[in-house]
Amino acid sequence: EVQLVESGGGFIQPGGSLRLSCAASGFSVSVNYMSWVRQAPGKGLEWVSVVYSGGNAYYADSVKGRFTISKDNSKNTLYLQMNNLRAEDTAVYYCAKQFGSYGYFDYWGRGTLVTVSS
Amino acid sequence: EIVMTQSPASLSVSPGEGATLSCRASQSISSNLAWHQQKPGQAPRLLIYGASTRAPGIPARFSGSGSGTEFTLTISSLQSEDFAIYYCQQYNNWPPLTFGGGTKVEIK
Repeated sequence: EVQLVESGGGFIQPGGSLRLSCAASGFSVSVNYMSWVRQAPGKGLEWVSVVYSGGNAYYADSVKGRFTISKDNSKNTLYLQMNNLRAEDTAVYYCAKQFGSYGYFDYWGRGTLVTVSS
Repeated sequence: EIVMTQSPASLSVSPGEGATLSCRASQSISSNLAWHQQKPGQAPRLLIYGASTRAPGIPARFSGSGSGTEFTLTISSLQSEDFAIYYCQQYNNWPPLTFGGGTKVEIK
């Protein structure tokens, strides 16, 4: 059974840093594209970043230069390092598995809440 | 970036009735469209991919159609568990992957 469990969210002041983790089971992150998708309170879904099976990574313009996606194939875990956080980064962050190299998400985690506020 | 527009923003439907949700892409995306369902406080769930293929375990009352720029999600005979927000998502030209703003299906 595929499972994705996020952790690492919390309350942080503007300008601070957080590292989110997503522990995967039931499949290997090494052969799938993996993304982070966020949802601000009361808002819709916004794609944040993807890491390809080979390690290439891409970002939404809103987080480029501040966030870094990575994965540890040996731990079967996805990460999102978030630096220089802003109030507008406040959201539930979901880890999502893509179907192979396709762009649609076939499994989602339950999310972790990041609140950026002074 | 491909912009996805969903309509209506909300829809009130009585249990047992059908619902039709629309999604439009700002340029052709072939059939590279997915639909996701999200219930309050829960993660999204994949319903449809390839514009019309149901994901494993999705009931047959959910059907998707369309190609190019116009897409439809139809829910026949709504059940209580179907009241949720539905998002379309394109994956034809990415990154970035983009979502529509969502359609909330409420109980009438």
